[in-house]
Amino acid sequence: GAVVSQHPSRVICKSGTSVKIECRSLDFQATTMFWYRQFPKQSLMLMATSNEGSKATYEQGVEKDKFLINHASLTLSTLTVTSAHPEDSSFYICSASSPVYSNQPQHFGDGTRLSIL
Amino acid sequence: DAKTTQPNSMESNEEEPVHLPCNHSTISGTDYIHWYRQLPSQGPEYVIHGLTSNVNNRMASLAIAEDRKSSTLILHRATLRDAAVYYCILRERGDYKLSFGAGTTVTVRA
Repeated sequence: GAVVSQHPSRVICKSGTSVKIECRSLDFQATTMFWYRQFPKQSLMLMATSNEGSKATYEQGVEKDKFLINHASLTLSTLTVTSAHPEDSSFYICSASSPVYSNQPQHFGDGTRLSIL
Repeated sequence: DAKTTQPNSMESNEEEPVHLPCNHSTISGTDYIHWYRQLPSQGPEYVIHGLTSNVNNRMASLAIAEDRKSSTLILHRATLRDAAVYYCILRERGDYKLSFGAGTTVTVRA
């Protein structure tokens, strides 16, 4: 069964609204979660690393004030796309890995397809 | 970051083996070789990983060259459900991050 649950799977909303995406680890505690973005026919691009109880680490070029990340518990990280615009339309994917073994596999959610009209 | 090179696409017939090559000539001694695959409209799925020795699991086999500068993912009997983009990724020991390249798009013919 799925070890990482992502919700919602699809969102369609108007330009200017904020959208929150949830990522939950179901079978283990995740001190670290990752958020990726994937545009059509492109590969996944890491946006940020979400750390439980501390600030997220953003990759170069990703606006931290636009993509708000909260990792308040060991099983939940949220990504909020603030004041979304059509160019933010993309496939957003989260992942989580065990905190104990650094080379254990990452488990990915099924992604959230965000469409901004 | 050490990088990998994969063919853009490969085709296979159902029930036949698929050999997916990956070149990583700048690999360091502490880099693990990871493979993930992504089915259409889904998040990636872990396939297998290894360091120096060949590895087998229920999904696939990973053959690693003696000099570690290349590796091959082997799907023993392709099914239509194996049609996906396969990513070969180097992951340094202690580093949680995964850097995805373009991957290889595998098409399976019935």
